[in-house]
Amino acid sequence: EAGVTQFPSHSVIEKGQTVTLRCDPISGHDNLYWYRRVMGKEIKFLLHFVKESKQDESGMPNNRFLAERTGGTYSTLKVQPAELEDSGVYFCASSPFSAGGYTFGSGTRLTVV
Amino acid sequence: AQKITQTQPGMFVQEKEAVTLDCTYDTSESNYYLFWYKQPPSRQMILVIRQEAYKQQNATENRFSVNFQKAAKSFSLKISDSQLGDTAMYFCAFMKLLSGNTPLVFGKGTRLSVIA
Repeated sequence: EAGVTQFPSHSVIEKGQTVTLRCDPISGHDNLYWYRRVMGKEIKFLLHFVKESKQDESGMPNNRFLAERTGGTYSTLKVQPAELEDSGVYFCASSPFSAGGYTFGSGTRLTVV
Repeated sequence: AQKITQTQPGMFVQEKEAVTLDCTYDTSESNYYLFWYKQPPSRQMILVIRQEAYKQQNATENRFSVNFQKAAKSFSLKISDSQLGDTAMYFCAFMKLLSGNTPLVFGKGTRLSVIA
C-alpha cells in the first residue's frame, strides 16, 4: 500500500507570506495527525482529525494556523501569515481506528526567512 | 501531562557493537504504549519497536530490544550488532491508551552515529 505522502518536501518563504502544506494519508485511515519539530526541540503535536472532524486541536500554536481535511481524505495545513518561529519540520501521520498503528510521512521542512 | 526525557543528545557506536539509548517518562496513566521511532537522513519517521504497558515481557524486534521498567518509568532501547544503516535520530514516544489512537508525546531525541 502507498504510505503517507507529504508535499512539498521543502518550502522556503518570506515572513508574512502564506504557505499550504498537504498530507495524503494511507487510504482508509480515519485518524490523521499533524506534528511539528522545531530544530533542537521535541516533536510537538498540533492536531488530530478523525475523518473530516477535528478531534483535538489543542496543539495549534495560534490562529495563523488553519488545518482542514476535505471529505476525510487528504489534509492541508495553512500558515498565514508565516513568522520566523514557524520554521521547522511538519510531520503528518495516519492510522486506522485502532491503537498504536501510526504511519508517518517524510515531513515538510518549512523555512521562513 | 506526560513528559518524555532523553538525556543523551548524541551517541557514537562502532559497527557491530551494541548501544543503549535511554528514555524515562512521567505519567499518571495506567494504560499506555511506549515507542521508539527512528528518523534517518531521509526524514521518514519509522517505527522501531512498541511496548504495551500492561505487558511485563520486554518487546524485541530482531536486533532491537527494550528494557521496560514500569515502576521506574524507564524505557531504554538496545541495538545489538549495530549497522551503518542504524545511523539516525531516535525518538522515544508515549501514547496513552483510550478507545482508539491518541496523540504521541515525544522526547527530544538522541542522534546515533554508527562508525565503520
